[in-house]
Amino acid sequence: EVQLVESGGGLVQPGRSLRLSCAASGFTFDDYAMHWVRQAPGKGLEWVSGISWNSGSIGYADSVKGRFTISRDNAKNSLYLQMNSLRAEDTALYYCAKDGYQSAEYFQHWGQGTLVTVSS
Amino acid sequence: SYELTQPPSVSVSPGQTARITCSGDALPKKYAYWYQQKSGQAPVLVIYEDSKRPSGIPERFSGSSSGTMATLTISGAQVEDEADYYCYSTDSSGNHVFGTGTKVTVL
Repeated sequence: EVQLVESGGGLVQPGRSLRLSCAASGFTFDDYAMHWVRQAPGKGLEWVSGISWNSGSIGYADSVKGRFTISRDNAKNSLYLQMNSLRAEDTALYYCAKDGYQSAEYFQHWGQGTLVTVSS
Repeated sequence: SYELTQPPSVSVSPGQTARITCSGDALPKKYAYWYQQKSGQAPVLVIYEDSKRPSGIPERFSGSSSGTMATLTISGAQVEDEADYYCYSTDSSGNHVFGTGTKVTVL
Protein backbone atom coordinates (compact mmCIF):
# COMPACT_ATOMS: atom_id res chain seq x y z
CA GLU A 1 0.00 0.00 0.00
CA VAL A 2 1.35 3.42 -0.98
CA GLN A 3 1.93 5.65 2.04
CA LEU A 4 3.04 9.28 1.95
CA VAL A 5 3.56 11.02 5.27
CA GLU A 6 4.28 14.75 5.30
CA SER A 7 5.93 16.59 8.17
CA GLY A 8 7.58 19.90 8.96
CA GLY A 9 4.60 22.24 8.82
CA GLY A 10 3.85 24.82 11.48
CA LEU A 11 3.48 28.50 12.29
CA VAL A 12 6.20 30.72 10.83
CA GLN A 13 6.67 34.47 10.54
CA PRO A 14 6.67 36.20 7.15
CA GLY A 15 10.10 36.22 5.56
CA ARG A 16 11.28 33.14 7.44
CA SER A 17 12.00 29.63 6.14
CA LEU A 18 10.54 26.18 6.60
CA ARG A 19 11.46 22.75 5.26
CA LEU A 20 8.80 20.15 4.54
CA SER A 21 9.51 16.43 4.30
CA CYS A 22 7.58 13.53 2.85
CA ALA A 23 8.38 9.94 3.82
CA ALA A 24 7.30 7.44 1.16
CA SER A 25 6.70 3.71 1.49
CA GLY A 26 4.86 0.88 -0.24
CA PHE A 27 6.37 1.44 -3.69
CA THR A 28 9.73 1.75 -5.45
CA PHE A 29 10.37 5.41 -4.72
CA ASP A 30 13.04 6.01 -7.37
CA ASP A 31 10.75 4.76 -10.14
CA TYR A 32 8.39 7.74 -9.91
CA ALA A 33 8.24 11.50 -10.13
CA MET A 34 6.95 13.31 -7.05
CA HIS A 35 5.11 16.57 -6.42
CA TRP A 36 4.03 19.11 -3.86
CA VAL A 37 0.48 20.45 -4.16
CA ARG A 38 -1.07 22.97 -1.78
CA GLN A 39 -4.54 24.09 -0.79
CA ALA A 40 -5.17 27.40 0.95
CA PRO A 41 -7.99 27.35 3.54
CA GLY A 42 -11.34 27.12 1.76
CA LYS A 43 -9.70 27.32 -1.67
CA GLY A 44 -8.89 25.00 -4.56
CA LEU A 45 -5.81 22.92 -5.36
CA GLU A 46 -2.59 24.49 -6.61
CA TRP A 47 0.42 22.61 -7.97
CA VAL A 48 3.59 23.91 -6.31
CA SER A 49 6.48 21.87 -7.65
CA GLY A 50 7.42 18.55 -9.24
CA ILE A 51 10.59 16.50 -9.60
CA SER A 52 11.34 13.59 -11.92
CA TRP A 53 12.51 10.20 -10.69
CA ASN A 54 16.22 11.06 -10.96
CA SER A 55 15.94 14.80 -10.17
CA GLY A 56 16.84 15.52 -13.78
CA SER A 57 13.71 17.55 -14.40
CA ILE A 58 12.30 20.04 -11.88
CA GLY A 59 9.47 22.52 -12.22
CA TYR A 60 7.87 25.22 -10.09
CA ALA A 61 4.71 27.26 -10.13
CA ASP A 62 5.35 30.91 -10.92
CA SER A 63 4.03 31.83 -7.46
CA VAL A 64 6.94 30.07 -5.71
CA LYS A 65 9.72 30.20 -8.30
CA GLY A 66 12.94 31.55 -6.80
CA ARG A 67 11.73 31.02 -3.21
CA PHE A 68 11.00 27.28 -2.97
CA THR A 69 13.35 24.38 -3.77
CA ILE A 70 12.23 20.79 -4.26
CA SER A 71 14.59 17.88 -3.78
CA ARG A 72 14.54 14.15 -3.17
CA ASP A 73 16.76 11.53 -1.57
CA ASN A 74 16.07 8.20 -3.26
CA ALA A 75 18.25 6.35 -0.74
CA LYS A 76 15.98 7.59 2.04
CA ASN A 77 12.69 7.36 0.10
CA SER A 78 12.08 11.00 0.92
CA LEU A 79 10.88 14.17 -0.77
CA TYR A 80 11.59 17.67 0.49
CA LEU A 81 10.42 21.24 -0.04
CA GLN A 82 12.64 24.07 1.19
CA MET A 83 10.50 27.18 1.50
CA ASN A 84 12.26 30.54 1.89
CA SER A 85 10.98 34.11 2.09
CA LEU A 86 7.57 32.88 3.15
CA ARG A 87 4.55 35.10 2.62
CA ALA A 88 1.06 35.15 4.10
CA GLU A 89 -0.30 33.84 0.80
CA ASP A 90 1.80 30.67 1.23
CA THR A 91 -0.48 29.65 4.10
CA ALA A 92 -1.95 26.32 3.04
CA LEU A 93 -2.16 22.59 3.56
CA TYR A 94 0.77 21.12 1.65
CA TYR A 95 0.29 17.68 0.10
CA CYS A 96 2.98 15.32 -1.10
CA ALA A 97 1.87 13.37 -4.17
CA LYS A 98 3.27 10.41 -6.10
CA ASP A 99 3.16 10.50 -9.88
CA GLY A 100 2.12 7.63 -12.10
CA TYR A 101 5.29 7.95 -14.20
CA GLN A 102 9.00 8.71 -13.97
CA SER A 103 8.45 12.17 -15.43
CA ALA A 104 6.08 14.70 -13.88
CA GLU A 105 2.66 13.99 -15.37
CA TYR A 106 -0.08 13.68 -12.73
CA PHE A 107 -0.86 12.82 -9.11
CA GLN A 108 -1.66 9.17 -8.54
CA HIS A 109 -1.52 9.02 -4.74
CA TRP A 110 -1.64 11.73 -2.09
CA GLY A 111 -0.55 12.09 1.52
CA GLN A 112 -2.73 13.65 4.19
CA GLY A 113 -0.89 16.96 4.13
CA THR A 114 0.99 19.21 6.54
CA LEU A 115 -0.31 22.66 7.46
CA VAL A 116 1.86 25.74 6.96
CA THR A 117 0.68 29.00 8.51
CA VAL A 118 2.58 32.19 7.73
CA SER A 119 1.68 34.91 10.18
CA SER A 120 3.30 37.40 12.51
CA SER B 1 -1.76 31.77 -17.71
CA TYR B 2 -3.60 28.58 -18.60
CA GLU B 3 -7.02 28.03 -17.05
CA LEU B 4 -9.37 25.09 -16.70
CA THR B 5 -12.96 26.17 -16.14
CA GLN B 6 -15.54 24.11 -14.24
CA PRO B 7 -19.08 24.92 -13.08
CA PRO B 8 -19.07 25.93 -9.38
CA SER B 9 -21.76 23.46 -8.44
CA VAL B 10 -23.81 20.53 -9.68
CA SER B 11 -26.81 19.04 -7.91
CA VAL B 12 -28.19 15.57 -8.56
CA SER B 13 -30.78 13.28 -7.00
CA PRO B 14 -29.61 9.87 -5.74
CA GLY B 15 -29.55 7.36 -8.58
CA GLN B 16 -29.47 10.02 -11.27
CA THR B 17 -26.56 11.03 -13.50
CA ALA B 18 -24.25 13.93 -12.74
CA ARG B 19 -22.00 15.44 -15.39
CA ILE B 20 -19.14 17.81 -14.58
CA THR B 21 -17.42 19.67 -17.38
CA CYS B 22 -13.91 21.05 -17.64
CA SER B 23 -13.00 23.48 -20.40
CA GLY B 24 -9.46 24.27 -21.51
CA ASP B 25 -7.77 25.28 -24.75
CA ALA B 26 -5.03 22.63 -24.50
CA LEU B 27 -7.36 19.69 -23.84
CA PRO B 28 -7.42 18.58 -27.50
CA LYS B 29 -3.73 17.68 -27.08
CA LYS B 30 -3.41 16.98 -23.36
CA TYR B 31 -4.96 14.40 -21.07
CA ALA B 32 -7.51 15.34 -18.43
CA TYR B 33 -7.50 13.88 -14.93
CA TRP B 34 -10.20 14.03 -12.27
CA TYR B 35 -9.87 14.17 -8.49
CA GLN B 36 -12.51 13.74 -5.81
CA GLN B 37 -12.03 15.54 -2.51
CA LYS B 38 -14.41 14.84 0.34
CA SER B 39 -14.65 17.29 3.22
CA GLY B 40 -11.52 17.24 5.38
CA GLN B 41 -9.80 14.57 3.28
CA ALA B 42 -6.98 14.42 0.74
CA PRO B 43 -7.90 14.29 -2.95
CA VAL B 44 -8.36 10.91 -4.63
CA LEU B 45 -7.75 10.17 -8.31
CA VAL B 46 -10.97 8.92 -9.93
CA ILE B 47 -10.14 9.22 -13.66
CA TYR B 48 -6.78 9.42 -15.43
CA GLU B 49 -5.78 9.95 -19.06
CA ASP B 50 -9.26 11.19 -20.00
CA SER B 51 -11.19 7.98 -19.42
CA LYS B 52 -9.25 5.37 -17.43
CA ARG B 53 -10.48 4.36 -14.00
CA PRO B 54 -7.95 3.43 -11.26
CA SER B 55 -8.45 0.19 -9.41
CA GLY B 56 -10.90 0.55 -6.55
CA ILE B 57 -12.90 3.35 -8.16
CA PRO B 58 -16.55 2.38 -8.73
CA GLU B 59 -17.70 1.78 -12.30
CA ARG B 60 -20.26 4.58 -11.99
CA PHE B 61 -17.40 7.04 -12.50
CA SER B 62 -16.43 7.57 -16.13
CA GLY B 63 -14.60 10.19 -18.14
CA SER B 64 -14.51 11.46 -21.69
CA SER B 65 -12.89 14.24 -23.63
CA SER B 66 -13.74 15.92 -26.91
CA GLY B 67 -12.17 19.05 -28.30
CA THR B 68 -11.63 21.62 -25.59
CA MET B 69 -13.93 19.95 -23.05
CA ALA B 70 -13.48 17.00 -20.71
CA THR B 71 -16.39 15.51 -18.81
CA LEU B 72 -16.66 13.45 -15.64
CA THR B 73 -19.88 11.45 -15.42
CA ILE B 74 -21.26 9.86 -12.28
CA SER B 75 -23.94 7.39 -13.36
CA GLY B 76 -26.33 6.51 -10.58
CA ALA B 77 -24.90 9.00 -8.09
CA GLN B 78 -24.75 7.92 -4.46
CA VAL B 79 -24.89 10.04 -1.32
CA GLU B 80 -21.25 9.15 -0.67
CA ASP B 81 -20.27 10.81 -3.98
CA GLU B 82 -20.97 14.22 -2.49
CA ALA B 83 -17.62 16.03 -2.70
CA ASP B 84 -15.59 18.63 -4.52
CA TYR B 85 -14.28 17.50 -7.91
CA TYR B 86 -11.26 18.98 -9.66
CA CYS B 87 -10.06 18.43 -13.18
CA TYR B 88 -6.33 18.68 -13.88
CA SER B 89 -4.18 18.94 -16.96
CA THR B 90 -1.05 20.51 -18.37
CA ASP B 91 -0.53 23.07 -21.07
CA SER B 92 1.92 23.17 -23.97
CA SER B 93 4.52 24.85 -21.74
CA GLY B 94 4.36 22.09 -19.16
CA ASN B 95 2.44 24.09 -16.57
CA HIS B 96 0.41 21.91 -14.22
CA VAL B 97 -3.07 23.34 -13.72
CA PHE B 98 -6.11 22.38 -11.68
CA GLY B 99 -9.61 23.36 -12.60
CA THR B 100 -11.64 25.77 -10.50
CA GLY B 101 -13.47 22.91 -8.77
CA THR B 102 -17.10 21.75 -8.72
CA LYS B 103 -19.11 21.03 -5.61
CA VAL B 104 -21.38 18.05 -6.21
CA THR B 105 -24.45 17.80 -4.00
CA VAL B 106 -26.49 14.59 -3.94
CA LEU B 107 -29.95 15.13 -2.50
